[in-house]
Amino acid sequence: DSGVTQTPKHLITATGQRVTLRCSPRSGDLSVYWYQQSLDQGLQFLIQYYNGEERAKGNILERFSAQQFPDLHSELNLSSLELGDSALYFCASSGPYYGYTFGSGTRLTVV
Amino acid sequence: GESVGLHLPTLSVQEGDNSIINCAYSNSASDYFIWYKQESGKGPQFIIDIRSNMDKRQGQRVTVLLNKTVKHLSLQIAATQPGDSAVYFCAETHQTGANNLFFGTGTRLTVIP
Repeated sequence: DSGVTQTPKHLITATGQRVTLRCSPRSGDLSVYWYQQSLDQGLQFLIQYYNGEERAKGNILERFSAQQFPDLHSELNLSSLELGDSALYFCASSGPYYGYTFGSGTRLTVV
Repeated sequence: GESVGLHLPTLSVQEGDNSIINCAYSNSASDYFIWYKQESGKGPQFIIDIRSNMDKRQGQRVTVLLNKTVKHLSLQIAATQPGDSAVYFCAETHQTGANNLFFGTGTRLTVIP
Protein backbone atom coordinates (compact mmCIF):
# COMPACT_ATOMS: atom_id res chain seq x y z
CA ASP A 1 0.00 0.00 0.00
CA SER A 2 1.61 3.23 -1.19
CA GLY A 3 -0.54 5.41 1.04
CA VAL A 4 -2.26 7.06 -1.93
CA THR A 5 -5.78 5.72 -2.42
CA GLN A 6 -7.68 5.94 -5.66
CA THR A 7 -11.28 4.96 -6.24
CA PRO A 8 -12.81 3.36 -8.13
CA LYS A 9 -10.27 0.90 -9.50
CA HIS A 10 -12.30 0.26 -12.63
CA LEU A 11 -14.95 2.31 -14.37
CA ILE A 12 -16.90 1.51 -17.52
CA THR A 13 -19.16 4.17 -18.95
CA ALA A 14 -20.74 5.26 -22.20
CA THR A 15 -19.69 8.08 -24.50
CA GLY A 16 -21.13 11.43 -23.53
CA GLN A 17 -21.28 10.57 -19.86
CA ARG A 18 -19.54 12.20 -16.89
CA VAL A 19 -17.46 10.47 -14.23
CA THR A 20 -15.61 11.47 -11.08
CA LEU A 21 -12.36 9.89 -9.97
CA ARG A 22 -11.26 10.25 -6.39
CA CYS A 23 -7.83 10.41 -4.78
CA SER A 24 -6.80 10.48 -1.14
CA PRO A 25 -3.17 11.56 -0.78
CA ARG A 26 -0.64 10.09 1.61
CA SER A 27 -1.05 11.47 5.10
CA GLY A 28 0.69 14.82 5.42
CA ASP A 29 1.13 15.43 1.69
CA LEU A 30 -0.25 18.74 0.49
CA SER A 31 0.35 18.30 -3.24
CA VAL A 32 -1.79 16.15 -5.47
CA TYR A 33 -1.07 15.45 -9.14
CA TRP A 34 -3.22 13.81 -11.79
CA TYR A 35 -1.78 11.88 -14.73
CA GLN A 36 -3.31 10.11 -17.70
CA GLN A 37 -1.73 7.01 -19.21
CA SER A 38 -3.05 5.67 -22.48
CA LEU A 39 -2.22 2.14 -23.63
CA ASP A 40 1.54 1.56 -23.78
CA GLN A 41 2.22 5.25 -23.37
CA GLY A 42 3.97 7.35 -20.80
CA LEU A 43 2.22 9.32 -18.12
CA GLN A 44 0.87 12.67 -19.25
CA PHE A 45 0.61 15.34 -16.59
CA LEU A 46 -2.87 16.80 -16.29
CA ILE A 47 -3.03 19.07 -13.27
CA GLN A 48 -1.54 19.74 -9.82
CA TYR A 49 -3.11 21.07 -6.65
CA TYR A 50 -1.32 22.28 -3.56
CA ASN A 51 -3.23 22.73 -0.33
CA GLY A 52 -6.49 23.36 -2.15
CA GLU A 53 -5.16 25.66 -4.84
CA GLU A 54 -4.41 24.84 -8.45
CA ARG A 55 -0.65 25.09 -8.95
CA ALA A 56 0.05 23.82 -12.45
CA LYS A 57 -1.81 22.70 -15.52
CA GLY A 58 -0.60 20.32 -18.16
CA ASN A 59 -2.34 18.78 -21.13
CA ILE A 60 -5.77 18.78 -19.55
CA LEU A 61 -8.78 19.05 -21.81
CA GLU A 62 -11.46 21.65 -21.16
CA ARG A 63 -13.91 18.77 -20.63
CA PHE A 64 -11.83 17.74 -17.62
CA SER A 65 -11.64 19.54 -14.31
CA ALA A 66 -10.31 18.86 -10.86
CA GLN A 67 -10.42 20.19 -7.35
CA GLN A 68 -8.78 19.59 -4.00
CA PHE A 69 -10.91 19.76 -0.90
CA PRO A 70 -10.06 21.06 2.60
CA ASP A 71 -9.31 17.52 3.77
CA LEU A 72 -6.80 17.39 0.86
CA HIS A 73 -8.51 14.66 -1.11
CA SER A 74 -8.91 15.45 -4.78
CA GLU A 75 -11.41 14.65 -7.48
CA LEU A 76 -10.93 14.58 -11.22
CA ASN A 77 -14.10 15.16 -13.20
CA LEU A 78 -14.28 13.95 -16.79
CA SER A 79 -17.29 15.01 -18.84
CA SER A 80 -18.67 14.47 -22.36
CA LEU A 81 -16.56 11.35 -22.47
CA GLU A 82 -15.16 10.10 -25.74
CA LEU A 83 -13.71 6.73 -26.69
CA GLY A 84 -10.24 8.28 -26.68
CA ASP A 85 -10.56 9.14 -23.01
CA SER A 86 -10.20 5.46 -22.15
CA ALA A 87 -6.99 5.25 -20.15
CA LEU A 88 -5.46 4.71 -16.76
CA TYR A 89 -5.70 7.76 -14.54
CA PHE A 90 -3.15 8.04 -11.78
CA CYS A 91 -2.99 10.29 -8.81
CA ALA A 92 0.25 11.05 -7.01
CA SER A 93 1.02 13.04 -3.89
CA SER A 94 4.13 14.63 -2.50
CA GLY A 95 5.11 16.36 0.69
CA PRO A 96 8.00 18.00 2.46
CA TYR A 97 9.60 14.81 3.74
CA TYR A 98 8.89 12.23 1.11
CA GLY A 99 8.99 12.18 -2.63
CA TYR A 100 6.25 11.45 -5.08
CA THR A 101 4.03 8.45 -4.42
CA PHE A 102 1.53 7.09 -6.90
CA GLY A 103 -1.76 5.41 -6.34
CA SER A 104 -2.73 2.22 -8.11
CA GLY A 105 -4.84 4.09 -10.65
CA THR A 106 -8.35 4.07 -12.03
CA ARG A 107 -8.88 2.24 -15.30
CA LEU A 108 -11.53 4.09 -17.31
CA THR A 109 -13.15 2.38 -20.24
CA VAL A 110 -15.49 4.42 -22.43
CA VAL A 111 -17.75 2.33 -24.67
CA GLY B 1 6.91 21.85 -21.98
CA GLU B 2 9.70 19.61 -20.92
CA SER B 3 10.53 16.56 -22.97
CA VAL B 4 11.90 13.43 -21.50
CA GLY B 5 12.58 10.61 -23.89
CA LEU B 6 14.07 7.16 -23.91
CA HIS B 7 16.51 5.78 -26.44
CA LEU B 8 15.23 2.19 -26.51
CA PRO B 9 11.57 1.27 -26.26
CA THR B 10 12.29 -2.42 -25.52
CA LEU B 11 15.15 -4.29 -23.91
CA SER B 12 15.58 -8.03 -23.45
CA VAL B 13 18.30 -9.41 -21.18
CA GLN B 14 19.28 -12.79 -19.85
CA GLU B 15 18.68 -13.46 -16.19
CA GLY B 16 21.80 -12.61 -14.24
CA ASP B 17 23.09 -10.08 -16.78
CA ASN B 18 23.24 -6.36 -16.12
CA SER B 19 20.67 -4.04 -17.70
CA ILE B 20 21.14 -0.45 -18.76
CA ILE B 21 18.18 1.76 -19.56
CA ASN B 22 18.83 5.20 -20.99
CA CYS B 23 16.91 8.45 -20.94
CA ALA B 24 17.41 11.89 -22.46
CA TYR B 25 15.87 15.04 -21.07
CA SER B 26 15.57 18.46 -22.63
CA ASN B 27 15.05 20.92 -19.78
CA SER B 28 18.39 22.03 -18.42
CA ALA B 29 16.58 23.65 -15.48
CA SER B 30 15.43 20.26 -14.17
CA ASP B 31 17.19 19.49 -10.92
CA TYR B 32 15.61 16.27 -9.72
CA PHE B 33 15.26 13.00 -11.57
CA ILE B 34 13.47 9.80 -10.66
CA TRP B 35 13.32 6.31 -12.10
CA TYR B 36 10.05 4.42 -11.78
CA LYS B 37 9.14 0.81 -12.40
CA GLN B 38 5.65 0.01 -13.57
CA GLU B 39 4.26 -3.49 -13.65
CA SER B 40 1.20 -4.31 -15.67
CA GLY B 41 -1.96 -2.81 -14.19
CA LYS B 42 -0.12 -1.11 -11.34
CA GLY B 43 0.98 2.40 -10.52
CA PRO B 44 4.57 3.58 -10.97
CA GLN B 45 6.82 2.43 -8.17
CA PHE B 46 9.79 4.52 -7.07
CA ILE B 47 13.16 2.91 -7.73
CA ILE B 48 15.82 5.55 -7.23
CA ASP B 49 16.28 9.28 -7.54
CA ILE B 50 19.12 11.71 -8.06
CA ARG B 51 19.54 15.43 -7.68
CA SER B 52 21.38 17.57 -10.16
CA ASN B 53 24.29 18.20 -7.76
CA MET B 54 25.23 14.52 -8.06
CA ASP B 55 26.33 12.42 -11.01
CA LYS B 56 25.89 8.97 -9.52
CA ARG B 57 23.75 7.34 -6.90
CA GLN B 58 23.58 3.72 -5.89
CA GLY B 59 20.82 1.68 -4.37
CA GLN B 60 20.29 -2.00 -3.91
CA ARG B 61 21.22 -3.55 -7.29
CA VAL B 62 20.45 -0.26 -9.03
CA THR B 63 22.61 2.68 -9.98
CA VAL B 64 21.54 5.94 -11.58
CA LEU B 65 24.00 8.02 -13.56
CA LEU B 66 23.38 11.63 -14.49
CA ASN B 67 25.30 13.49 -17.18
CA LYS B 68 24.12 17.09 -17.13
CA THR B 69 26.45 18.10 -19.96
CA VAL B 70 24.54 15.99 -22.47
CA LYS B 71 21.30 15.85 -20.47
CA HIS B 72 21.37 12.10 -20.16
CA LEU B 73 20.21 9.76 -17.43
CA SER B 74 20.71 6.03 -17.14
CA LEU B 75 19.51 3.25 -14.88
CA GLN B 76 21.72 0.25 -14.34
CA ILE B 77 20.27 -2.91 -12.84
CA ALA B 78 22.79 -5.46 -11.67
CA ALA B 79 22.15 -9.22 -11.90
CA THR B 80 18.76 -8.73 -13.52
CA GLN B 81 16.04 -11.03 -12.24
CA PRO B 82 12.72 -12.14 -13.76
CA GLY B 83 10.95 -9.92 -11.23
CA ASP B 84 12.64 -6.93 -12.83
CA SER B 85 10.54 -7.38 -15.97
CA ALA B 86 8.43 -4.23 -16.24
CA VAL B 87 8.26 -0.87 -17.95
CA TYR B 88 10.77 1.64 -16.65
CA PHE B 89 10.19 5.39 -16.81
CA CYS B 90 12.48 8.27 -16.10
CA ALA B 91 10.91 11.47 -14.85
CA GLU B 92 12.25 14.96 -14.31
CA THR B 93 11.16 18.00 -12.39
CA HIS B 94 12.30 21.28 -10.99
CA GLN B 95 11.87 21.28 -7.26
CA THR B 96 10.78 24.86 -6.78
CA GLY B 97 7.49 26.28 -7.97
CA ALA B 98 5.28 23.91 -9.89
CA ASN B 99 7.13 20.67 -9.30
CA ASN B 100 5.09 18.26 -11.36
CA LEU B 101 6.93 15.35 -12.94
CA PHE B 102 7.43 14.99 -16.67
CA PHE B 103 7.76 11.41 -17.85
CA GLY B 104 9.39 9.73 -20.78
CA THR B 105 7.56 7.14 -22.87
CA GLY B 106 9.09 4.18 -21.06
CA THR B 107 11.29 1.17 -21.82
CA ARG B 108 9.90 -2.33 -21.53
CA LEU B 109 12.45 -4.62 -19.92
CA THR B 110 12.01 -8.34 -20.44
CA VAL B 111 14.21 -10.74 -18.50
CA ILE B 112 14.74 -14.10 -20.15
CA PRO B 113 15.12 -16.93 -17.61
